[in-house]
Amino acid sequence: NAGVTQTPKFQVLKTGQSMTLQCAQDMNHEYMSWYRQDPGMGLRLIHYSVGAGITDQGEVPNGYNVSRSTTEDFPLRLLSAAPSQTSVYFCASSYSEGRHEKLFFGSGTQLSVL
Amino acid sequence: KQEVTQIPAALSVPEGENLVLNCSFTDSAIYNLQWFRQDPGKGLTSLLLIQSSQREQTSGRLNASLDKSSGRSTLYIAASQPGDSATYLCAVRPGAGNNRKLIWGLGTSLAVNP
Repeated sequence: NAGVTQTPKFQVLKTGQSMTLQCAQDMNHEYMSWYRQDPGMGLRLIHYSVGAGITDQGEVPNGYNVSRSTTEDFPLRLLSAAPSQTSVYFCASSYSEGRHEKLFFGSGTQLSVL
Repeated sequence: KQEVTQIPAALSVPEGENLVLNCSFTDSAIYNLQWFRQDPGKGLTSLLLIQSSQREQTSGRLNASLDKSSGRSTLYIAASQPGDSATYLCAVRPGAGNNRKLIWGLGTSLAVNP
């Protein structure tokens, strides 16, 4: 079982460039989410999805787009990168059965925007 | 607005010591509370989840407790080992249970010295 796979692990962009961070999970989880982690600010939710075809905004959605065409994939798009988007990005998926749930994280993408 | 605080921000202990990490939250109306571990350059790993109706959960040398009325949770690590060195984060799932967004603390960075 691969779990949650994120690519790339590292990326350097110039201001104004666009790119897509890939996230795939092989656990058939309905819920997927994208976080960014910054020093002193903790994990902040960017976008999330409760199933294929359904996405919603988190705390810090500006500058990012997502789509969920399949259960497995949840890509995060940066439309026009800005230095403020320099961060470590984590994708997560989770299942929920009654009151039991568990969150699985990818290993992260370290993004630098120059 | 729910806020989650973890104190101390960093902790250094000798190997073999029992230790307690603290997590406090401002709104007692939580669905559950989770503890995670993050190793440098890696994603988060779920350790323990405590439902709002539970007082504690145990997994191996880890024991997490929850006191909703006082807005506190503790993670107890028995007989600490150098391999326990990591950042430990707690996250609260607020409210009635349909809201799957988590509120995160900033974490406690633990160093266990041989």
